[in-house]
Amino acid sequence: NAGVTQTPKFRVLKTGQSMTLLCAQDMNHEYMYWYRQDPGMGLRLIHYSVGEGTTAKGEVPDGYNVSRLKKQNFLLGLESAAPSQTSVYFCASSSLGGGIAKNIQYFGAGTRLSVL
Amino acid sequence: RKEVEQDPGPFNVPEGATVAFNCTYSNSASQSFFWYRQDCRKEPKLLMSVYSSGNEDGRFTAQLNRASQYISLLIRDSKLSDSATYLCVVNSNTGGFKTIFGAGTRLFVKA
Repeated sequence: NAGVTQTPKFRVLKTGQSMTLLCAQDMNHEYMYWYRQDPGMGLRLIHYSVGEGTTAKGEVPDGYNVSRLKKQNFLLGLESAAPSQTSVYFCASSSLGGGIAKNIQYFGAGTRLSVL
Repeated sequence: RKEVEQDPGPFNVPEGATVAFNCTYSNSASQSFFWYRQDCRKEPKLLMSVYSSGNEDGRFTAQLNRASQYISLLIRDSKLSDSATYLCVVNSNTGGFKTIFGAGTRLFVKA
């Protein structure tokens, strides 16, 4: 049972380059999320999706774009990477029951991104 | 002031000790509360949901005080395997969905 799978696990970019992080879940979850985690700070929500074809901004959306073309996939794009986007990125998903605020989130293993 | 604040760690305790973590939140409209555990360089994993009536799972007890806007986690009879960072999470969906993670409290359990 794979759960939530993130690719790639590691990536090094140069300033100005673009890349896409892929998140895939096999639990048929409606909700999906992208977070970043920086030292000394809690996870911060970048964008989230409440269903296929829908996305919404979280706490720190600037510099990122997302797409949810298929229910099982949630993509996070960096159009022009900056050193401030060096971080660990986590994807998560949760089920529909009880509403988004009450759902338990299941996380992927993370992507470590360095922007030089 | 941060929306969710946790005890600054780290906590260093011997095996068998009881340790308590506290977490305060600022949004009185918050609806749901969780404790997650995160091992070094790993993803967060749910430890417990926190209910108003309090809940217990083996050596772990979580409590919620809505009036004072804090939640707590008590770990009894600490094991070496309890060494991790404990994250407090507070969710709301009033005026838009928000999920706020605390910065975490690191726990080291020593033999």
